[in-house]
Amino acid sequence: DAKTTQPPSMDCAEGRAANLPCNHSTISGNEYVYWYRQIHSQGPQYIIHGLKNNETNEMASLIITEDRKSSTLILPHATLRDTAVYYCIAALYNQGGKLIFGQGTELSVKP
Amino acid sequence: DTAVSQTPKYLVTQMGNDKSIKCEQNLGHDTMYWYKQDSKKFLKIMFSYNNKELIINETVPNRFSPKSPDKAHLNLHINSLELGDSAVYFCASSQENRAYTFGSGTRLTVV
Repeated sequence: DAKTTQPPSMDCAEGRAANLPCNHSTISGNEYVYWYRQIHSQGPQYIIHGLKNNETNEMASLIITEDRKSSTLILPHATLRDTAVYYCIAALYNQGGKLIFGQGTELSVKP
Repeated sequence: DTAVSQTPKYLVTQMGNDKSIKCEQNLGHDTMYWYKQDSKKFLKIMFSYNNKELIINETVPNRFSPKSPDKAHLNLHINSLELGDSAVYFCASSQENRAYTFGSGTRLTVV
């Protein structure tokens, strides 16, 4: 699996967009970018994933650069409940389901 | 209805004891996992089962023995518990390597 690099922590004002970056410069052509988050003391929660195209769902948007070496998760209107650790993972779609979690970015949404 | 449920939520036990953690999913997923999250918050995969068949065993001590009686259940039995086994254990499931659904975790404390 390609290694991903994320800033250890970020702050965001409530109601503003939270933009969480992720570098995956060694990602292979068939590896997807997955984003999960873990709110304190809870199980990790799937957010979104993508291969090449930008993706959007009810939770967030995922912007992947054209060279696929980096991506940004966007929470359009962050709330206090979005305070969590966000994990960016590069993984094959069919590799026996193994996702390797790194250290992630601890996002603090402040009033 | 809880999609992935783990029991118990908390488990405090003495060194040397044997204990089990149960996991059930009602999502119809084919693949189930056990992850361990230590005090430093690293999430590490332990085991993965696909349709009752073991497919991932990440060099976990053989004191840990997963058992999958059917594809909706994956239990974790731990023999001769040690202090270092104290952690939060998460069960998860997925279908065709899509988004994982995690349980809420079992916090194991060995004293």
